[in-house]
Amino acid sequence: SAVISQKPSRDICQRGTSLTIQCQVDSQVTMMFWYRQQPGQSLTLIATANQGSEATYESGFVIDKFPISRPNLTFSTLTVSNMSPEDSSIYLCSVPGLYGYTFGSGTRLTVV
Amino acid sequence: GQQLNQSPQSMFIQEGEDVSMNCTSSSIFNTWLWYKQDPGEGPVLLIALYKAGELTSNGRLTAQFGITRKDSFLNISASIPSDVGIYFCAGPPNAGNMLTFGGGTRLMVKP
Repeated sequence: SAVISQKPSRDICQRGTSLTIQCQVDSQVTMMFWYRQQPGQSLTLIATANQGSEATYESGFVIDKFPISRPNLTFSTLTVSNMSPEDSSIYLCSVPGLYGYTFGSGTRLTVV
Repeated sequence: GQQLNQSPQSMFIQEGEDVSMNCTSSSIFNTWLWYKQDPGEGPVLLIALYKAGELTSNGRLTAQFGITRKDSFLNISASIPSDVGIYFCAGPPNAGNMLTFGGGTRLMVKP
């Protein structure tokens, strides 16, 4: 299965600022997914990032708040913009594989 | 949207005991996946199920794809302290490729 390198692993940010999270995959994948995991909760899909086209956002998530880049088949970024304490969560990227979906180790974001 | 109901939400058991958790859906799934998440990590795939009625084992873990395709269970036998973590069921809805997750089962094991 694919190996995903996600960074940063954690960050503490001031409200009103933005943070860009990166995911690098060791193989080419058509689709990459970005999830949010709020404290004590399950994973919720933010958007699907396809190379060469705009990301597809799930209900409740908008491009202005969570812009996504997908410049090639091995890399994607998610930006959390104009952060507030409610954005404090773990953010994870994921790619589909032959036997299931592989996840990055996550970015633990705390907004103060 | 699709929802997976996972139970129990948490379990606190003695080392050596067996554990069972399950997921149900209001709609049919073609694939069931079971993940474990350790603190500070992303979910790691434990077992993947692709056929109704399928029973698959991975060491002390056993999972089954329900015959109605609307449910799945995961059993852990002879639990050990390193089984501690959050277990999630997940599956891709028929119309999409992304995963829908259950609410998770937090497992705590007392040595």
